[in-house]
Amino acid sequence: DSGVTQTPKHLITATGQRVTLRCSPRSGDLSVYWYQQSLDQGLQFLIQYYNGEERAKGNILERFSAQQFPDLHSELNLSSLELGDSALYFCASSVGVYGTQYFGPGTRLLVL
Amino acid sequence: AQTVTQSQPEMSVQEAETVTLSCTYDTSENNYYLFWYKQPPSRQMILVIRQEAYKQQNATENRFSVNFQKAAKSFSLKISDSQLGDTAMYFCAFILTGAGSYQLTFGKGTKLSVIP
Repeated sequence: DSGVTQTPKHLITATGQRVTLRCSPRSGDLSVYWYQQSLDQGLQFLIQYYNGEERAKGNILERFSAQQFPDLHSELNLSSLELGDSALYFCASSVGVYGTQYFGPGTRLLVL
Repeated sequence: AQTVTQSQPEMSVQEAETVTLSCTYDTSENNYYLFWYKQPPSRQMILVIRQEAYKQQNATENRFSVNFQKAAKSFSLKISDSQLGDTAMYFCAFILTGAGSYQLTFGKGTKLSVIP
């Protein structure tokens, strides 16, 4: 157990819908990262927050957004969902701005 | 841009034997960390080992060790005394530690099967 928690574990929804994925980092970690793992794209970095502020942005679609709250948990919002958004979404956390990242168990999203 | 290449899509090893997974990376930067992550069938991403680029000594964690060749930009993982529980996808990953983006860049993975 890495200490990073993610909810829900599984999510099934329809195209055009909006979902929210939640992540709680390890105790003491200030950075939260979001990654998408799909069969054709592999593991792709989406976005990083550090102590409530957006720190780095990767291949995140405009339909996706994220935030980190004062208690340091983070939420990833996915809207206008498409079939191609079906993937495993990981949250990871680290103590500082960079460093070893520990991953949560992931949320499996299936868009039908 | 940083890239990570894992040239072995699949490998197999007999239980109790030793296996080495290859990884090469490309960067013009000097300060970075390298990692190996393991993803078993449960899909959990588990940190196996970490290597800081400024350290010449190769990292070891129990049965896992790395061969870090900075000049050659090579970072291989050796698994000794392979166990059935080592069956998983193994991802090599890279992160810069200077200013800028702190995202992990992953290779495409090597699927390792440990055969009883």
